[in-house]
Amino acid sequence: GAVVSQHPSWVICKSGTSVKIECRSLDFQATTMFWYRQFPKQSLMLMATSNEGSKATYEQGVEKDKFLINHASLTLSTLTVTSAHPEDSSFYICSAMGQERTQYFGPGTRLLVL
Amino acid sequence: QKEVEQNSGPLSVPEGAIASLNCTYSDRGSQSFFWYRQYSGKSPELIMFIYSNGDKEDGRFTAQLNKASQYVSLLIRDSQPSDSATYLCAVNEAGSARQLTFGSGTQLTVLP
Repeated sequence: GAVVSQHPSWVICKSGTSVKIECRSLDFQATTMFWYRQFPKQSLMLMATSNEGSKATYEQGVEKDKFLINHASLTLSTLTVTSAHPEDSSFYICSAMGQERTQYFGPGTRLLVL
Repeated sequence: QKEVEQNSGPLSVPEGAIASLNCTYSDRGSQSFFWYRQYSGKSPELIMFIYSNGDKEDGRFTAQLNKASQYVSLLIRDSQPSDSATYLCAVNEAGSARQLTFGSGTQLTVLP
């Protein structure tokens, strides 16, 4: 149980394009999902908290207009990186909160912006 | 600033030995404590969580929590080369109903 999927697993795009990443909880419902970013050799950085049916809560320094989050159902949250630039290249990881406040992570999405 | 601190390592242990990973946290009201393992290039996977003072065992893993000392540790018995990874300590702090604060991780290498 407690499986979280992400799609796509990796994406390469040109600068200026938008990229959409999906995060799904496969066998449980998650009212709360989280989006993280991780640069090489660094720890996880929380970007935003995604709440089903309401607006996401963004961490300080994260542009909400650049990183659009939609949590349309109890099993799906999406992160859209709008007008991506090379500095947005990173490893994006989502997690879904299950029982007892445990976070289960998706496999991550590697984004490379050329 | 609420913090979760771990020695970054690298920590090297021989195969079959006990690996001891330590974590301290600053928020005395913290309630839940988690250990995640992250292999290079992969996302974190949950190893175990602990809420109460004392030890919690799961297979070769034992989590130890001491709230008075604001200290949580992870022991890995009979370490295997496949245990080589970065281990992340995460804390659910008081007043933060859902978010976790992560340490920077300890890199463990188990030498065959």
